[in-house]
Amino acid sequence: GAVVSQHPSWVICKSGTSVKIECRSLDFQATTMFWYRQFPKQSLMLMATSNEGSKATYEQGVEKDKFLINHASLTLSTLTVTSAHPEDSSFYICSAGGGLLAGGWSYEQYFGPGTRLTVT
Amino acid sequence: AQSVTQLDSHVSVSEGTPVLLRCNYSSSYSPSLFWYVQHPNKGLQLLLKYTSAATLVKGINGFEAEFKKSETSFHLTKPSAHMSDAAEYFCVVSDRDDKIIFGKGTRLHILP
Repeated sequence: GAVVSQHPSWVICKSGTSVKIECRSLDFQATTMFWYRQFPKQSLMLMATSNEGSKATYEQGVEKDKFLINHASLTLSTLTVTSAHPEDSSFYICSAGGGLLAGGWSYEQYFGPGTRLTVT
Repeated sequence: AQSVTQLDSHVSVSEGTPVLLRCNYSSSYSPSLFWYVQHPNKGLQLLLKYTSAATLVKGINGFEAEFKKSETSFHLTKPSAHMSDAAEYFCVVSDRDDKIIFGKGTRLHILP
């Protein structure tokens, strides 16, 4: 199956700064990528769905000006947390799905390992 | 180290018959366990979760799962399948460090 990587795996930043998280599908051209957030001991929360070359679709309650998503190519999506605050500290996970693998089209969903963000 | 294994990559059942999706886990600590469903071109949706309370957990859309520590299992069941249940299902384990591990998923097919 495809491999999805995230960088960085963990990051600590100061309040008020911005942080960019990258999600790459290494051998898979994904038409759609999803960004999730997980609070401690809680389930994943879908933040937004991004399709290559178009604007992301944000879930209700997610501030699109705070969580900027760019899906510039079929293998890269980025999430930028702007003016981060301690309450933004969380585990962020991306997934890639619906795309072309070496063996043909795949409808499977592939998850990245996640990025832990701590805002001090 | 923790891991999660979904024993079937594909499950096919007839509409109106019971559904069983199997999940086994390993964890060094008391884990939190989740089942998610993903319909085509949609994000994950939480079905149910276990976080050390009642071992039988009821979720949305008639699904439930039972945590069996002795068998290290957390199988998902539903008494009667509906066509709208056709989707991909993920079993997820989370330990005390909140690191989460996804199973590879089980695709559920509903036959008319």
